[in-house]
Amino acid sequence: GENVEQHPSTLSVQEGDSAVIKCTYSDSASNYFPWYKQELGKGPQLIIDIRSNVGEKKDQRIAVTLNKTAKHFSLHITETQPEDSAVYFCAASEGAGSYQLTFGKGTKLSVIP
Amino acid sequence: DTAVSQTPKYLVTQMGNDKSIKCEQNLGHDTMYWYKQDSKKFLKIMFSYNNKELIINETVPNRFSPKSPDKAHLNLHINSLELGDSAVYFCASSPRGQELSPLHFGNGTRLTVT
Repeated sequence: GENVEQHPSTLSVQEGDSAVIKCTYSDSASNYFPWYKQELGKGPQLIIDIRSNVGEKKDQRIAVTLNKTAKHFSLHITETQPEDSAVYFCAASEGAGSYQLTFGKGTKLSVIP
Repeated sequence: DTAVSQTPKYLVTQMGNDKSIKCEQNLGHDTMYWYKQDSKKFLKIMFSYNNKELIINETVPNRFSPKSPDKAHLNLHINSLELGDSAVYFCASSPRGQELSPLHFGNGTRLTVT
C-alpha cells in the first residue's frame, strides 16, 4: 500500500515569514495529493490539492509543488499569519483513481506574532 | 447548514459497552467514510460506503461495523469497547466521479473508554 512521510513534525515561524512542509510518497501510481488544515477541536479542512498532471498550483498565499519523478510534494505558505497556526496533513491517493487516501502524520505549525 | 455533522461530539463510556456514532451529510455526496485519529494525530481510514456498498474495509476489528440506512447517513457501531478504542472518529464524504474528489470532514467524535 501507499506510504506517506511528512516533515517536519513541528514548525515555528515568525509572522510574515514563509513556511514549507514536505511529503514523500511511495506508490508511483498515485495521482491525487491534497493538503488539509486541522484547527483545534475541528475536522481537517481541504486547503489545496494537486493532481499528477500538474507540477504546481497556487491559491493566494498557499502553493503546492509536485515532483512525480522524485515522488515528493510540498506545501508553501507565504506571509504567514497567526491564524495559519494549525496542524497540516498531506495525503496521497492509493494508486490511480483510488478513493482511499493515505495521510502523512501531520505538521504542527505555530506562527509567532 | 452544516455539511457533515456527527453526533455525539463527546462520548465517554466504560469498557465492554456498545455504542454508536451517527453521521449525516447534506452535500448530496455518494461516498462516505469513517476515519480514526489517534492520540498522535495520525489519521487512518476505517471504512467507506458508496451507494450503500462497502468499497473499502481496512483491517479493523470486527467489533466495528458501519451501517448506512441511506446515501446521506453512515453510522458507526462499536461492540465491546476496549481502552484502545479511545480516539477521535471523523466522518467524511466526497462526490463520486472519474477523479478522486476532496473529502469533507465532520468535526469529529471524541470517544473515551474508561
